[in-house]
Amino acid sequence: GNSVTQMEGPVTLSEEAFLTINCTYTATGYPSLFWYVQYPGEGLQLLLKATKADDKGSNKGFEATYRKETTSFHLEKGSVQVSDSAVYFCALTRSGGSYIPTFGRGTSLIVHP
Amino acid sequence: DAGVIQSPRHEVTEMGQEVTLRCKPISGHDYLFWYRQTMMRGLELLIYFNNNVPIDDSGMPEDRFSAKMPNASFSTLKIQPSEPRDSAVYFCASSKVGTGNTEAFFGQGTRLTVV
Repeated sequence: GNSVTQMEGPVTLSEEAFLTINCTYTATGYPSLFWYVQYPGEGLQLLLKATKADDKGSNKGFEATYRKETTSFHLEKGSVQVSDSAVYFCALTRSGGSYIPTFGRGTSLIVHP
Repeated sequence: DAGVIQSPRHEVTEMGQEVTLRCKPISGHDYLFWYRQTMMRGLELLIYFNNNVPIDDSGMPEDRFSAKMPNASFSTLKIQPSEPRDSAVYFCASSKVGTGNTEAFFGQGTRLTVV
């Protein structure tokens, strides 16, 4: 079946540090890949997405590249801010004809001033 | 569009009481999902609907849980009777399946506390 594996958190960084959150997946065919962000007390919001191999999704300084050869979709940001503190979820859909989102466990990011 | 709307935002109830959570999906979306989020288990899919029809409820933990979608703009998740271990944040999400567009849009969630 489908699965998404994310690195364990929390990830704790100082402001302006470089961020990487690893995500790997198991799926059938060619899924679409997503990163969602959840701020405290809120629902999940789509951060970025990629729908085919080698696509790069980007938004708000965050980037992730769809790597089919390594089945990965790592999230990166060059310089994090305190306001980026949140929980980040990697997800996939459209695997084997299924449109049901499959989520990773989430990675908590804490950014200190 | 106002997005996915859930009510109530917070619910505190006593063990044994019936709880009903409500969701209004984004207009035109054809999939609706109910998720439960806890620290221990993360985000769990409970049930999903396609065009108002329940497709897979294998994630519903027990018969105490039930969900309905009487029309395209409204869904409910009911717990009867509620137990303390049902305490969690419950999310409703919707999506419209189209070429390249399979992302789910989430509501703000309902934080349920059963005492």
